[in-house]
Amino acid sequence: SAVISQKPSRDICQRGTSLTIQCQVDSQVTMMFWYRQQPGQSLTLIATANQGSEATYESGFVIDKFPISRPNLTFSTLTVSNMSPEDSSIYLCSVEVARAAEAFFGQGTRLTVV
Amino acid sequence: DAKTTQPPSMDCAEGRAANLPCNHSTISGNEYVYWYRQIHSQGPQYIIHGLKNNETNEMASLIITEDRKSSTLILPHATLRDTAVYYCIAIPTGTASKLTFGTGTRLQVTL
Repeated sequence: SAVISQKPSRDICQRGTSLTIQCQVDSQVTMMFWYRQQPGQSLTLIATANQGSEATYESGFVIDKFPISRPNLTFSTLTVSNMSPEDSSIYLCSVEVARAAEAFFGQGTRLTVV
Repeated sequence: DAKTTQPPSMDCAEGRAANLPCNHSTISGNEYVYWYRQIHSQGPQYIIHGLKNNETNEMASLIITEDRKSSTLILPHATLRDTAVYYCIAIPTGTASKLTFGTGTRLQVTL
């Protein structure tokens, strides 16, 4: 299994600013992912965070808006840039662990943009 | 990934079995059926998965039809803590962690 810590757990931000969300895992993981959950909606995959290389983004998400870093096997950050109220969502980090059949999720970061 | 269809909501009395259906009529031979749930304000939690045999663990049972076109998640004795959104996802072998969530079923367990 894996224990995932996300920071901050919630934040209220002004439009036009940026927020960086951190995801720390208690063990080395093979894959790390970032999801967005808009109010009342299901989760949507933003990107796969690749260690040592650029993230792989899903359709509709771009690096300029959601830059991602993954400097090592246990840590990743997601930045939400130039925020607007439409970015108000829960952002979740997820990991894949070797020899585990399932994904593990952090508790999420609840972002409100005003 | 095969599309899954679930009822938007269900109710269940506490202590009774909750049977949550999922249709995945276009599932391919290499796709597993996974179930996750999301309790309010928490990240999704894995429940169970299977390929074609029925599966049981400490949380739930998974019944997959012989033609694999549908499945049922069974919570044998639902409690208030089982109130959550339940997601059924068809996932190809080797991609168990890159998930495409549908709309899920909102299960409300009541006294």
